[in-house]
Amino acid sequence: AQTVTQSQPEMSVQEAETVTLSCTYDTSENNYYLFWYKQPPSRQMILVIRQEAYKQQNATENRFSVNFQKAAKSFSLKISDSQLGDTAMYFCAFKFRAGDKIIFGKGTRLHILP
Amino acid sequence: NAGVTQTPKFRILKIGQSMTLQCAQDMNHNYMYWYRQDPGMGLKLIYYSVGAGITDKGEVPNGYNVSRSTTEDFPLRLELAAPSQTSVYFCASSYSLAGGEEQFFGPGTRLTVL
Repeated sequence: AQTVTQSQPEMSVQEAETVTLSCTYDTSENNYYLFWYKQPPSRQMILVIRQEAYKQQNATENRFSVNFQKAAKSFSLKISDSQLGDTAMYFCAFKFRAGDKIIFGKGTRLHILP
Repeated sequence: NAGVTQTPKFRILKIGQSMTLQCAQDMNHNYMYWYRQDPGMGLKLIYYSVGAGITDKGEVPNGYNVSRSTTEDFPLRLELAAPSQTSVYFCASSYSLAGGEEQFFGPGTRLTVL
């Protein structure tokens, strides 16, 4: 079965610093998608960024970027110039390209300190 | 668009009671999902639907039932509530998951069973 592992239950960084959240996954498939979702204190889940496994180029969305290492099955999220509004739970997620379900990791709680 | 709406936001049930969690989306999405999120954990899929009249079990379906009579609505029924069903429940939808399409989430329902 596919698994998604986030090894950092909780992290804290100072505002304006750069922080990297780790995620590893396990699959024998070749075609899949990876996601990072953000859940702020309001509980509303929001898609931050997604990566297609067949694309070698790392996805970026403004201050958010990923480091996708397919061979190592690693998918880390880098947040640059962190802001107080980045305080949230971050979930890494996996989906087969042809699948209809997303598998979520347990999440990393990120605190941005003023 | 209201997006994905869920009612109620909070509910306390006694053991053995039943209730229905409502979920509706106005984005004409084919796929709808119910997740539960236990404290400190990621999201676990309860049930999902790929279209009106079609539902399927997820990872943790026991104690729940769903129906999908329309594209817009996907209610989740809890029969004989148990303390183990204390959780936050999220409904989500997407147009399709053929690729890496985003899931849009509702604000969640916090359910406590005493």
